[in-house]
Amino acid sequence: SQQGEEDPQALSIQEGENATMNCSYKTSINNLQWYRQNSGRGLVHLILIRSNEREKHSGRLRVTLDTSKKSSSLLITASRAADTASYFCASIGNQFYFGTGTSLTVIP
Amino acid sequence: GAGVSQSPRYKVAKRGQDVALRCDPISGHVSLFWYQQALGQGPEFLTYFQNEAQLDKSGLPSDRFFAERPEGSVSTLKIQRTQQEDSAVYLCASSLGGWGQQGGYTFGSGTRLTVV
Repeated sequence: SQQGEEDPQALSIQEGENATMNCSYKTSINNLQWYRQNSGRGLVHLILIRSNEREKHSGRLRVTLDTSKKSSSLLITASRAADTASYFCASIGNQFYFGTGTSLTVIP
Repeated sequence: GAGVSQSPRYKVAKRGQDVALRCDPISGHVSLFWYQQALGQGPEFLTYFQNEAQLDKSGLPSDRFFAERPEGSVSTLKIQRTQQEDSAVYLCASSLGGWGQQGGYTFGSGTRLTVV
């Protein structure tokens, strides 16, 4: 498969809790991006981290990158019901491949 | 337009029928990608255009799949003799820069193809 792996496949948390999703990829990258997808919709770009960066923040989002382990994590702090969606990492190098996704459910 | 537009939004095809899916990228965007997303899966790369040049078509699953972008703007993904396994959402994305640009990509809402 082209895709990297993400875990967990599904995550259910209470509103206000933090959500952490992990992603592993297969090839060397220029950058790694995280996308969100609501059911039946296209993907929305959330955040990009360059291969020479280790951590990046944007609002309630925090992304880390470990190129030696070919892995990344996305942390959503103080989750809201509106954060319910699927989240995908995308590794961009010689290829542009998505992970398998994490389905996040935030319970009000 | 302000975003990437895909049409039709939904398509039902009988097995063996040919279909054509259209993508209107954001005006001026150099790069255009097509992805196939099966239910509950992540998007799978199909092909990439830089302007009118198809630089990577390694993800096209068979020779029944063909994509073009003749004038470097609108792109069409054509599937000949559709099979049930072609049922999926087909996503198009565009970006201002070339492959590997340090920026996000804008996706359309996709075309949901159902082959019956």
